[in-house]
Amino acid sequence: SQQGEEDPQALSIQEGENATMNCSYKTSINNLQWYRQNSGRGLVHLILIRSNEREKHSGRLRVTLDTSKKSSSLLITASRAADTASYFCATGGGEQGAQKLVFGQGTRLTINP
Amino acid sequence: GAGVSQSPSNKVTEKGKDVELRCDPISGHTALYWYRQSLGQGLEFLIYFQGNSAPDKSGLPSDRFSAERTGGSVSTLTIQRTQQEDSAVYLCASSLTASGGRETQYFGPGTRLLVL
Repeated sequence: SQQGEEDPQALSIQEGENATMNCSYKTSINNLQWYRQNSGRGLVHLILIRSNEREKHSGRLRVTLDTSKKSSSLLITASRAADTASYFCATGGGEQGAQKLVFGQGTRLTINP
Repeated sequence: GAGVSQSPSNKVTEKGKDVELRCDPISGHTALYWYRQSLGQGLEFLIYFQGNSAPDKSGLPSDRFSAERTGGSVSTLTIQRTQQEDSAVYLCASSLTASGGRETQYFGPGTRLLVL
């Protein structure tokens, strides 16, 4: 079964607004990563946050991690039409062991011009 | 440098036929991963390689699925006697090393498989 659950499943906002997506997971982890997927094809890595980090920034992206609540959030500020995509969180290491990433179901983000 | 490449981009096959999907990882990456994504779903882990060996095959859904990697580079995922439920996008990823999921994985564009 999937480790991560993402919320909301779909999000539609106006260009320029901020978009927040949430991810929850079940077991202990080594890190949590966010990926973007356009048109159901290859994934693009956005950001990795380690279990001993609480917040990380990259450009217009801000990721938080709360290991006590087993949750993470991805904030995209000043959204653009090009941000329209599906966003997935993925957890690595920890109790799930091995080397694989375990992905959530994703949030479909639509930015309306 | 070049990213992960996969071929073919699209594959349509008839139920019962065998298919081979190919993945070329980023040069120098020792770890290679296969995932499957069914329509509108998240990614499902299938198998990973460290070098030529596959320590974790836990995600392969049945014995019709197999994968190999030769020379520590190219990998082939083979599906025998395909079924309609095998229809999905098959994604390959590579990372510099396989270290407990700590590494960033770089994904290829995927192969979209349709079994009629």
